[in-house]
Amino acid sequence: DAGITQSPRHKVTETGTPVTLRCHQTENHRYMYWYRQDPGHGLRLIHYSYGVKDTDKGEVSDGYSVSRSKTEDFLLTLESATSSQTSVYFCAISTPPRTTDDYGYTFGSGTRLTVV
Amino acid sequence: LAKTTQPISMDSYEGQEVNITCSHNNIATNDYITWYQQFPSQGPRFIIQGYKTKVTNEVASLFIPADRKSSTLSLPRVSLSDTAVYYCLVGDPVGTGNNRKLIWGLGTSLAVNP
Repeated sequence: DAGITQSPRHKVTETGTPVTLRCHQTENHRYMYWYRQDPGHGLRLIHYSYGVKDTDKGEVSDGYSVSRSKTEDFLLTLESATSSQTSVYFCAISTPPRTTDDYGYTFGSGTRLTVV
Repeated sequence: LAKTTQPISMDSYEGQEVNITCSHNNIATNDYITWYQQFPSQGPRFIIQGYKTKVTNEVASLFIPADRKSSTLSLPRVSLSDTAVYYCLVGDPVGTGNNRKLIWGLGTSLAVNP
């Protein structure tokens, strides 16, 4: 989608190695999110950020860390990848920023990660 | 904990109207109900959002009864390009603001046939 880019689009890595996924936005939105999508589970929130250096855990945060040093970039790191982290990872931004109880997100195109 | 239930799959033909219903019997009082569309190898895309009664935009309508225990996404005159997975999204009544858990359903896979 316009304004939000994920990299890489595909990655294969070995168990135990660190992996960092990047989300870049050009919309200057305050709120950014990392989701994973797996068959039978739907979308699950990993971490989110509500500003530079302001992050919080989602429902499946174990084994993941995030960083946001600039408004436009939100990084997701798997410190030591495991096979259970094989998934499709989506970044999202709130449009408009999520300050009310509405859920108008814009998602990136996803990163397909395979841990072997 | 809130939960959403949607049909796993639906089939339709070009030109027909398609209605997809999502049951959500325990959602936050002040939350909107939001629907997304997802094509293979893409992220979900916002379709429509509403709080109560009926909302219509250029691609769909959303019907929400007074008790808000369900919502129905209506796609008028579908085409082959509407073949996708459709998700409803609601907020759990526990928590507020950024601490509120969002409940994504497993989605309805819509197949539009020629």
